[in-house]
Amino acid sequence: NAGVTQTPKFQVLKTGQSMTLQCAQDMNHEYMSWYRQDPGMGLRLIHYSVGAGITDQGEVPNGYNVSRSTTEDFPLRLLSAAPSQTSVYFCASSYGSSAGYTFGSGTRLTVV
Amino acid sequence: RKEVEQDPGPFNVPEGATVAFNCTYSNSASQSFFWYRQDCRKEPKLLMSVYSSGNEDGRFTAQLNRASQYISLLIRDSKLSDSATYLCVVNGEYNTDKLIFGTGTRLQVFP
Repeated sequence: NAGVTQTPKFQVLKTGQSMTLQCAQDMNHEYMSWYRQDPGMGLRLIHYSVGAGITDQGEVPNGYNVSRSTTEDFPLRLLSAAPSQTSVYFCASSYGSSAGYTFGSGTRLTVV
Repeated sequence: RKEVEQDPGPFNVPEGATVAFNCTYSNSASQSFFWYRQDCRKEPKLLMSVYSSGNEDGRFTAQLNRASQYISLLIRDSKLSDSATYLCVVNGEYNTDKLIFGTGTRLQVFP
């Protein structure tokens, strides 16, 4: 049982490049979320999904797109990378609001 | 006012000490409450949910005061391995799964 798997673990992008952060879970969780974590800011919600085909914006969605075509996968796309998107990105999943989330190990992204 | 506020610490305590962390939240309609633990450069991990009646898991006790919108975490008999950042987490709106994280309280347990 792998839990929540994120790839890549590290990435360096140039300003203006696009890329997709991958997230997959094998726990059959309906709920999945993407967070970014910056020093002194805590974890901030980017986008979330309560099931396949359903996504919604979180606190800081600008510059990011998501889709949820399957229960297992929830990729996060950076459309045109900016230095302000340098951060640690965490994907998380849950089977319900009262259960809390299981997090992936994170992707450390640097935009230069 | 931040939706979830925590004292950033650090709390430096000796092994065996009892330490308490507090957290306040702004949304009176919040229904789900959690404490997470995050080690340096690692992902957050669920420590425990927090229930209205209070709950205990070994050395850890969580309390919720809805009237004051206040959550606490008590750690008894601190171990070196308890050194980490503790995150208070609350769902942001009634009946949704948007979790709001506090910025965390750092705990350092020394020998």
